[in-house]
Amino acid sequence: GQNIDQPTEMTATEGAIVQINCTYQTSGFNGLFWYQQHAGEAPTFLSYNVLDGLEEKGRFSSFLSRSKGYSYLLLKELQMKDSASYLCAGMDSNYQLIWGAGTKLIIKP
Amino acid sequence: EAQVTQNPRYLITVTGKKLTVTCSQNMNHEYMSWYRQDPGLGLRQIYYSMNVEVTDKGDVPEGYKVSRKEKRNFPLILESPSPNQTSLYFCASSEIPGQGTDTQYFGPGTRLTVL
Repeated sequence: GQNIDQPTEMTATEGAIVQINCTYQTSGFNGLFWYQQHAGEAPTFLSYNVLDGLEEKGRFSSFLSRSKGYSYLLLKELQMKDSASYLCAGMDSNYQLIWGAGTKLIIKP
Repeated sequence: EAQVTQNPRYLITVTGKKLTVTCSQNMNHEYMSWYRQDPGLGLRQIYYSMNVEVTDKGDVPEGYKVSRKEKRNFPLILESPSPNQTSLYFCASSEIPGQGTDTQYFGPGTRLTVL
């Protein structure tokens, strides 16, 4: 079966670094997405990885290892506005997205 | 401004009363999709459409209908809503998966309560 696993909740301190992990099992693979979702709002796109390695985009970076079925989202210099849920989604061979349940990130001052 | 709009944003209804949630996008996207989001379960796809007059079932299509008569609109229809359809619903659009950026753009969500 197809599955995405990510932690339910994480807590971090303002100004620190946090890494949110995601493991995936999909039928075929056409990329791994990360979305940010603030409470009660729509998900917004953060990153897309299809090749192994690290993609850096400002304070946010995303890493992919296809051989391990593993990705992480790295958030640096955390700000209070980063408090949100982070959704990991894998795209299968039919280009359908398989979504994880999301990781709720709580930032403390 | 490029966007996906949904209406209504909030709806409280009773069991069995037919309702429609509208979705419209102005990005000329071929692909549109409906999701429901429930606590602890993540986004689950209800229906999707690759183009006008082409719709397919997602993971949880029971109790829902959709239509795609125009490229920009993709309404979600609940013919006889039941309490287990109480949820947060999102419409999304993108270029055809695999032929473009694959990034999905989401509408603001519709919070539906069925009593």
